Amino acid sequence: GENVEQHPSTLSVQEGDSAVIKCTYSDSASNYFPWYKQELGKRPQLIIDIRSNVGEKKDQRIAVTLNKTAKHFSLHITETQPEDSAVYFCAAKDNTNAGKSTFGDGTTLTVKP
Amino acid sequence: DAMVIQNPRYQVTQFGKPVTLSCSQTLNHNVMYWYQQKSSQAPKLLFHYYDKDFNNEADTPDNFQSRRPNTSFCFLDIRSPGLGDAAMYLCATSRVAEQFFGPGTRLTVL
Repeated sequence: GENVEQHPSTLSVQEGDSAVIKCTYSDSASNYFPWYKQELGKRPQLIIDIRSNVGEKKDQRIAVTLNKTAKHFSLHITETQPEDSAVYFCAAKDNTNAGKSTFGDGTTLTVKP
Repeated sequence: DAMVIQNPRYQVTQFGKPVTLSCSQTLNHNVMYWYQQKSSQAPKLLFHYYDKDFNNEADTPDNFQSRRPNTSFCFLDIRSPGLGDAAMYLCATSRVAEQFFGPGTRLTVL
């Protein structure tokens, strides 16, 4: 089955700095890679995703890059703000109706004002 | 405009007393998932349905069962909850790729 590793497990940055979270996956059949932000006591919220036919995707301060050959993908947050503080999960999924997501273990991001 | 609804949002039960959590969706998605999430951990998949086809994860305890009577509804039954079953239970749906999560049910076992 799929195995997703996520690093680092905790990340602390100063407001305005950039944050980078990295994930690797094992199953070459995975072709959909979402990133979720989860605040305490709330549901995971999709913030950006990327499909395997794309190398990079950007949405305002958030970007995701994918290296399919190396089987790794990364989340980049620029100009971080205190409200970016949360737990971030990466996941890998095959793009089929019956596919299931395998989650990384999560990264706790703290943005210090 | 709730899309994935979970009831109740908070459930308190006693050790060994059966409990049922419910999930409904207005998206008409054919895939529904149940996840268990403990504090500071990633969501752990328990089951998923592709239409009526039931898929049980290998490490899902026998204590957990699920029913999907129709496209819109899915239930998670915990037959004899133990203290270790206290967690957030998340329901999610998908059609192709993106998953839509419900708000979760926080289960407390006394």
